[in-house]
Amino acid sequence: EAGVTQFPSHSVIEKGQTVTLRCDPISGHDNLYWYRRVMGKEIKFLLHFVKESKQDESGMPNNRFLAERTGGTYSTLKVQPAELEDSGVYFCASSPRQGNYGYTFGSGTRLTVV
Amino acid sequence: RKEVEQDPGPFNVPEGATVAFNCTYSNSASQSFFWYRQDCRKEPKLLMSVYSSGNEDGRFTAQLNRASQYISLLIRDSKLSDSATYLCVVNPAGAGSYQLTFGKGTKLSVIP
Repeated sequence: EAGVTQFPSHSVIEKGQTVTLRCDPISGHDNLYWYRRVMGKEIKFLLHFVKESKQDESGMPNNRFLAERTGGTYSTLKVQPAELEDSGVYFCASSPRQGNYGYTFGSGTRLTVV
Repeated sequence: RKEVEQDPGPFNVPEGATVAFNCTYSNSASQSFFWYRQDCRKEPKLLMSVYSSGNEDGRFTAQLNRASQYISLLIRDSKLSDSATYLCVVNPAGAGSYQLTFGKGTKLSVIP
């Protein structure tokens, strides 16, 4: 079984530019989550999709972040325009059903804004 | 007060030693509790769930004390491969929310 795949693994962009991160969950997993870890801090929740619907987006830091999951398959997280404080590791996770905390995380996208 | 607080670490222990990590959480309504393991520059992986009755998986034992709002993880007979960062993780809200709240992690180094 293929795991959760994230692309790119690393991205270095300049402040003010746009970056789009992609996550392919495990096939058949309706639940998809985005988390991020900024340097020196704990991993923090961003949002949760059930299929194509946003179930909980309470962790999104501001309106520069836009997440989509068209068709309920892969998801994208766009940051526009990027700021220095957006640097960190963005993790995606998926699970087969709500309440199942056996999340499988992807290996993350390391974003550096310079 | 942070939602989930862990021992600051790092813990440097010899092979074969027993090591214990503690964690406290602030939200008394928290429903579910976990220990995740994260290797350097890798993704977090679920190590074990934590139940009120305590649970054991091989060399690993997890305990939950709801009254005191703390969680513990005991590792017996430490192996070199146990070296990693251990993350205390809590689901802070009730039904309808499935987000996880992570502690900053405690780094363990098992030394030959």
